[in-house]
Amino acid sequence: DAMVIQNPRYQVTQFGKPVTLSCSQTLNHNVMYWYQQKSSQAPKLLFHYYDKDFNNEADTPDNFQSRRPNTSFCFLDIRSPGLGDAAMYLCATSREVVQFFGPGTRLTVL
Amino acid sequence: GQNIDQPTEMTATEGAIVQINCTYQTSGFNGLFWYQQHAGEAPTFLSYNVLDGLEEKGRFSSFLSRSKGYSYLLLKELQMKDSASYLCAVIGNNRLAFGKGNQVVVIP
Repeated sequence: DAMVIQNPRYQVTQFGKPVTLSCSQTLNHNVMYWYQQKSSQAPKLLFHYYDKDFNNEADTPDNFQSRRPNTSFCFLDIRSPGLGDAAMYLCATSREVVQFFGPGTRLTVL
Repeated sequence: GQNIDQPTEMTATEGAIVQINCTYQTSGFNGLFWYQQHAGEAPTFLSYNVLDGLEEKGRFSSFLSRSKGYSYLLLKELQMKDSASYLCAVIGNNRLAFGKGNQVVVIP
């Protein structure tokens, strides 16, 4: 089945220790997104790739970086996680209008 | 900017009908989505409205009025598995923005 996959599903890191979250897709969609969602809040767009073009949201902290080495994969790097970065991180893809989400990675920062 | 309002929580009985409302303000409107999100899981696409009117898909229907900046999601024949958060999301100027979601609790 075509799908969006995120690994790991649960990630625990220490304050200040870099962490990378991964997303892959078999849908061959040209757009990939990273969202941050905290409890009882709306998903917040961090950035997205339109093909290879990177689009950063104005209020995304520099602590968050992303890489898209090819169409299928996209990575979220958090360089120095703080306690406030604990959240669910959602990857989504789209070709036209509708975005399809992966299962998310829940990040815990100790 | 974009502004999306949804009520925060509602409780309904199994087998009943529930209507979840969403009001929005945006420029360059290009569509409204409803997503279902179970606790700890990713949002799942339910519906997409870009023209005024009602779209029906099984037990779920979604309505849009662009002039009023208003949409609702109608859930019929509620089942226990429908207990979830329902997120309204709007595309404006090619940017998708989500509401905080409406938590629906289905009770027997």
